[in-house]
Amino acid sequence: AQTVTQSQPEMSVQEAETVTLSCTYDTSENNYYLFWYKQPPSRQMILVIRQEAYKQQNATENRFSVNFQKAAKSFSLKISDSQLGDTAMYFCAFMKHLGNQFYFGTGTSLTVIP
Amino acid sequence: EPEVTQTPSHQVTQMGQEVILRCVPISNHLYFYWYRQILGQKVEFLVSFYNNEISEKSEIFDDQFSVERPDGSNFTLKIRSTKLEDSAMYFCASSEARGGLQETQYFGPGTRLLVL
Repeated sequence: AQTVTQSQPEMSVQEAETVTLSCTYDTSENNYYLFWYKQPPSRQMILVIRQEAYKQQNATENRFSVNFQKAAKSFSLKISDSQLGDTAMYFCAFMKHLGNQFYFGTGTSLTVIP
Repeated sequence: EPEVTQTPSHQVTQMGQEVILRCVPISNHLYFYWYRQILGQKVEFLVSFYNNEISEKSEIFDDQFSVERPDGSNFTLKIRSTKLEDSAMYFCASSEARGGLQETQYFGPGTRLLVL
């Protein structure tokens, strides 16, 4: 079975600063994908960034980047130059290759302080 | 940019009533999913659907639930006799294919279901 753990229920960051959200997972699979989704107050799930496990290079999307440590089963999200619009719940998710479902963590509520 | 849509955005129903939640996946996607999120909790998988049949379902997806793709565009989740504990946000998602990042699931905005 796959599990995803987000150990930080709540975090805050000053506007324009950098923040890192942590995520660890447990799996016996070798080929899988990892994702970060953002859920603003509207509660829509928005894809932020994704990573293929077989790729050693960390994914980046503008101000968002990940630190993927496969051996440690760690997948943290770094948000640079934080903006007020980044205030949201952030979910880490795992999906095995050719799998049918995402496994989500419990989320981290991020507040960007002006 | 194509997106998954869901209707209604909010639904209030009496316990024991049937509800149908509707989703229009991204047009070239072949795999469809339903998830739910009880307030304050994490998102949980309900069911996946491909080629007009269920490919996987969770323990939550009992006989009260059913899914259907009645035409070429809609994907529905039916709850036959709602219970109080069915109150949640229900998300539809779709993905393009299997293999690589085409497996990425794109989520709709959700339907907030309240059972009284």
